[in-house]
Amino acid sequence: QKEVEQDPGPLSVPEGAIVSLNCTYSNSAFQYFMWYRQYSRKGPELLMYTYSSGNKEDGMLTAQVDKSSKYISLFIRDSQPSDSATYLCALSGSARQLTFGSGTQLTVLP
Amino acid sequence: GAGVSQTPSNKVTEKGKYVELRCDPISGHTALYWYRQSLGQGPEFLIYFQGTGAADDSGLPNDRFFAVRPEGSVSTLKIQRTERGDSAVYLCASSLIGGNTDTQYFGPGTRLTVL
Repeated sequence: QKEVEQDPGPLSVPEGAIVSLNCTYSNSAFQYFMWYRQYSRKGPELLMYTYSSGNKEDGMLTAQVDKSSKYISLFIRDSQPSDSATYLCALSGSARQLTFGSGTQLTVLP
Repeated sequence: GAGVSQTPSNKVTEKGKYVELRCDPISGHTALYWYRQSLGQGPEFLIYFQGTGAADDSGLPNDRFFAVRPEGSVSTLKIQRTERGDSAVYLCASSLIGGNTDTQYFGPGTRLTVL
């Protein structure tokens, strides 16, 4: 079983929809939770970073962490075609390296 | 300012050959990371440098893989006796000091194809 599980999709939604992306993890040592966006043939780009249970908002993005359930989510409100990309959750603990999910491929249709 | 750059962007080689992949981190960043991303997967950690030294090389798959950062800036990932299974995108990231709360900034990657 992988340390971090993420539904690979693909996920296709109409423009303006609310998108929900999720990851589950098994290692309770993970303390830091991130979401990256990766466009085709580009490197991952950090969108959100959290380190505690609860919600964090940034513009149209909300990151949610539930440490008791080992479940993290990213919500995208009013999604746009430019949001079409692969979304990766990434977690870290005492070690500096990131452990990534497999990524969810999102397409927002105009 | 310039981001993380990686060269070459694409590398095609034959099974058994030696390859070197280069990473130029963001100026002033002391921490540098190498990851490998296979098709349809998330990046997997290979090695982490703090300054010139490898602080954690637990992700290197075997002794065919080696990385250096002699002057604490540019890093080279070296793969000996390449195998078809080494085909992947090799990503480099850098961060300011290497702390857990540091943002890791990724380069565009080098796409390695082993024929």
